Amino acid sequence: GQNIDQPTEMTATEGAIVQINCTYQTSGFNGLFWYQQHAGEAPTFLSYNVLDGLEEKGRFSSFLSRSKGYSYLLLKELQMKDSASYLCAVRDSNYQLIWGAGTKLIIKP
Amino acid sequence: ETGVTQTPRHLVMGMTNKKSLKCEQHLGHNAMYWYKQSAKKPLELMFVYNFKEQTENNSVPSRFSPECPNSSHLFLHLHTLQPEDSALYLCASSQDTSSSGANVLTFGAGSRLTVL
Repeated sequence: GQNIDQPTEMTATEGAIVQINCTYQTSGFNGLFWYQQHAGEAPTFLSYNVLDGLEEKGRFSSFLSRSKGYSYLLLKELQMKDSASYLCAVRDSNYQLIWGAGTKLIIKP
Repeated sequence: ETGVTQTPRHLVMGMTNKKSLKCEQHLGHNAMYWYKQSAKKPLELMFVYNFKEQTENNSVPSRFSPECPNSSHLFLHLHTLQPEDSALYLCASSQDTSSSGANVLTFGAGSRLTVL
């Protein structure tokens, strides 16, 4: 079957750096997405990786290794507003999105 | 209004009630989706509409009935639900369901459903 694994919960300190990992086993690969979801709000798009390597967008970066079935989301200079759930999703060979259960990130002062 | 708007934001219903969830998008997108989000579980795709035509029904029980009158509006009609149907129901839209590019989903804030 198809599977996306990411940690259930992580805690980090304001101003620090945190890396949220995502590993996947899917039928084919046509891109990997990261979304951010604050409690009670809509998931919002953060990043899209289809080729290996690092994509940087301000304080957020996303990395992909297709050969390892692995991605991570790197958040730098953490702010309290970064407390949210982070959802990893992979588009498979049928262009269906397979979702992870999300990682709840708690930022402490 | 911009983006994807869902109403109501919260709904409590009995198992014998009939209610509907509404979704509206102002992005000019042609594809619309219903997802179910339960605590600590992955998003579950329920239905997909592309250019008003249903293209995906992910083995959803018939007590959930979608309706897409046009590319901007999507409804989810609910009847004789079960307590395990309590969840957050998210609507999303995208340019279409083609394979070109990222085709990013834009989500609404969801309708929190509680079935008593």
